[in-house]
Amino acid sequence: AQTVTQSQPEMSVQEAETVTLSCTYDTSESDYYLFWYKQPPSRQMILVIRQEAYKQQNATENRFSVNFQKAAKSFSLKISDSQLGDAAMYFCAFKAAGNKLTFGGGTRVLVKP
Amino acid sequence: EAEVAQSPRYKITEKSQAVAFWCDPISGHATLYWYRQILGQGPELLVQFQDESVVDDSQLPKDRFSAERLKGVDSTLKIQPAELGDSAMYLCASSLGGDAISINTEAFFGQGTRLTVV
Repeated sequence: AQTVTQSQPEMSVQEAETVTLSCTYDTSESDYYLFWYKQPPSRQMILVIRQEAYKQQNATENRFSVNFQKAAKSFSLKISDSQLGDAAMYFCAFKAAGNKLTFGGGTRVLVKP
Repeated sequence: EAEVAQSPRYKITEKSQAVAFWCDPISGHATLYWYRQILGQGPELLVQFQDESVVDDSQLPKDRFSAERLKGVDSTLKIQPAELGDSAMYLCASSLGGDAISINTEAFFGQGTRLTVV
């Protein structure tokens, strides 16, 4: 069974600064996808960024980028130039064959003006 | 823009009563998920459908929970009888894809149903 672990319950960042969220996972699969989802307060979950396991190049989406270390089973998210709208819960998620989507426990990001 | 629709948004029910939630996935999405999310925690998968078939319900408390997706489109999750510990957000999500991973593996989420059992 796949497990996803987020060890940081909460992270605080100053507006315009950078914050990095950690995620580790455990799997015996060789082909899989990793995702970071954002859940703003009282709003629906939306995809931030995705990474295919077979790609060595780290994914980037505007101010969001990942550091994917396949051997270490690590998948961290970096938010650059943090904005007030980035304040939310962030969830790391894993999907392999069969389409089962497994989430970590989440990290709350607070952005200080 | 296509969205996953869920209803109701909020539900308050007394313990031992029955409650049902409805989800309409994005058109064409074969995979449908029901998750339970306790406040401040990550979503926990309750049941996953591939078209009308259940492919994973290992975490579904089958003595009180049931789920169906009769025509492979919309889905209903039912709890009977509800218990105080069932208070949570129930999320529905859908994605493309079949048995194997495809490139379009993003899951789209509805706004959820917040259940309070009193």
